[in-house]
Amino acid sequence: DSGVTQTPKHLITATGQRVTLRCSPRSGDLSVYWYQQSLDQGLQFLIQYYNGEERAKGNILERFSAQQFPDLHSELNLSSLELGDSALYFCASSVAIGLANTGELFFGEGSRLTVL
Amino acid sequence: DQQVKQNSPSLSVQEGRISILNCDYTNSMFDYFLWYKKYPAEGPTFLISISSIKDKNEDGRFTVFLNKSAKHLSLHIVPSQPGDSAVYFCAASPPYITQGGSEKLVFGKGTKLTVNP
Repeated sequence: DSGVTQTPKHLITATGQRVTLRCSPRSGDLSVYWYQQSLDQGLQFLIQYYNGEERAKGNILERFSAQQFPDLHSELNLSSLELGDSALYFCASSVAIGLANTGELFFGEGSRLTVL
Repeated sequence: DQQVKQNSPSLSVQEGRISILNCDYTNSMFDYFLWYKKYPAEGPTFLISISSIKDKNEDGRFTVFLNKSAKHLSLHIVPSQPGDSAVYFCAASPPYITQGGSEKLVFGKGTKLTVNP
């Protein structure tokens, strides 16, 4: 158990719809990351938040947005869903940022999104 | 443009033998490398890492080798155990100052290791 909690574990929806994925980081971790793993793809970095502020952005589509709340949980919002958005979405957390960040992230179990 | 490549989607070895998982990268600026292990229905977990100033790092049965000139790293597991069966992801970290460091890890597609009893 990594200490990172993601909900829901599975989600099935239709094209054009909007979903929200939720993540609670490990106790004490201020930094939250979102990654996408599509079929036969590696983990693609989407976005990072630190203590409520966006810190780094990766290959995140404009249809996707995220935020981190004062209690440090984070939500990833996916809208106007397309078939290609079907993927496993991972949340990860870390305690350190910047140069102190060694890349040792703690991942949740993921949220599997299926768009039909 | 895949900057971290794991060209073997799968690998099968016998229990007790050595498992060698390979990873190639294209960005010569990467300065820190990590291996993550992922079991089904779980998130990836950190396994071992190596800085670009080293060529080897060992942790128990796991050893990572880095060949900077070849832009290649490998993970050796000796002896392999059935519990090592998982997907192994190689990840690389670009320099922090110019490219965001470990906050923008670049992952490979993973290699599925099966250790047969």
